[in-house]
Amino acid sequence: EVQLVESGGGLVQPGGSLRLSCAASGFTVSNKYMSWVRQAPGKGLEWVSVIYSGGTTYYADSVKGRFTISRDNSKNTLYFQMNSLRAEDTAVYYCAVTRTEYYFDSWGQGTLVTVSS
Amino acid sequence: QSALTQPASVSGSPGQSITISCTGTSSDVGSYNLVSWYQQHPVKAPKLMIYEDNKRPSGVSNRFSGSKSGNTASLTISGLQAEDEADYYCCSYAGSSTWVFGGGTKLTVL
Repeated sequence: EVQLVESGGGLVQPGGSLRLSCAASGFTVSNKYMSWVRQAPGKGLEWVSVIYSGGTTYYADSVKGRFTISRDNSKNTLYFQMNSLRAEDTAVYYCAVTRTEYYFDSWGQGTLVTVSS
Repeated sequence: QSALTQPASVSGSPGQSITISCTGTSSDVGSYNLVSWYQQHPVKAPKLMIYEDNKRPSGVSNRFSGSKSGNTASLTISGLQAEDEADYYCCSYAGSSTWVFGGGTKLTVL
């Protein structure tokens, strides 16, 4: 059974950094496309980043240059390094398995990031 | 990338059918057969309901169906049930390894 467990969220000041983790079980992270999708409080979903099985990464314009997606194959874990955080980055961050047919079919429970002074 | 356009809310009575529209552009919805739909109950993770415009994952009720015409995709739920009350989001591949979601539609079962 596919399971994704995010962690690492919390309260951080504007300009600060945070690293999110997404521990996977039931499949091998390095064999899949994996994405981060976020949801601001009371708002809709926003795709923010993907890492392909070959290691290529892509980002939404809203986070490009500030956030970095990566994975540790030995730990079967996906990461999201978030730097230069802004108030508008406040959201629940979900990791999701991304199918090669370009949809998200397994999601974690999410981890809340709050950027505030 | 601008978000896809969905109605903020729709409602229906048990047993009725409802349709949620999702309007994009020729650069996303209209360019690819890659629209997906997600159901999200309060404080829960999204759940895949439809992929590739009109395909249903195993385990999803056949009361849920998807379609598309031009730049507009639609999700139809027939035989509405109380448990269908949730937020629904459409999503389209937008090229260059990016995706765009709709703003979400709150479905109320009266």
